[in-house]
Amino acid sequence: GAVVSQHPSWVICKSGTSVKIECRSLDFQATTMFWYRQFPKQSLMLMATSNEGSKATYEQGVEKDKFLINHASLTLSTLTVTSAHPEDSSFYICSASKRSPSNEQYFGPGTRLTVT
Amino acid sequence: AQKVTQAQTEISVVEKEDVTLDCVYETRDTTYYLFWYKQPPSGELVFLIRRNSFDEQNEISGRYSWNFQKSTSSFNFTITASQVVDSAVYFCALNDYKLSFGAGTTVTVRA
Repeated sequence: GAVVSQHPSWVICKSGTSVKIECRSLDFQATTMFWYRQFPKQSLMLMATSNEGSKATYEQGVEKDKFLINHASLTLSTLTVTSAHPEDSSFYICSASKRSPSNEQYFGPGTRLTVT
Repeated sequence: AQKVTQAQTEISVVEKEDVTLDCVYETRDTTYYLFWYKQPPSGELVFLIRRNSFDEQNEISGRYSWNFQKSTSSFNFTITASQVVDSAVYFCALNDYKLSFGAGTTVTVRA
């Protein structure tokens, strides 16, 4: 159990367009979902945390107007990169957690975004 | 403030050699969780182990073993008799109120 999917797995878009990435928990209800960004040869950096029905909490330095997060249900969160630019090209990974003492996060397979 | 330090950026070994990855963490909390993840070239994170701050028992799972020493705030990971399939980036992570990752160690196992 505890499977998280992401769609699409990769996307190429033109500069100035918006891209939506979906994150779904397939076999459990996720109380919290997280979005991470990973640049080549770097570690994962948390972008934002979202709870179902609430506004996302963004990490310092992450533009909330650029990276729109919607957590409409206990199994779905979306990240929309608005007016994408080449510097937004990155690997975006979501994770989801159940209510548990460890707050263990279950990671999706990631979405590779390339902005041309 | 949280901090996870992985001292080795890259390690290259020949197959069948043992590999030890160091991880040192920093937290003021008494309750926390430590993790190791593997990230192969495909990019998907693979969960390897979770350890809570109250459980200092070492663990062995097949060729993998972990040494947790609270006194030195370390949570080291050893791959015994490495194989080419072990080639990946390995991340140590600390979770108290937020999951923070170390910079990662790239392990290359040559045949």
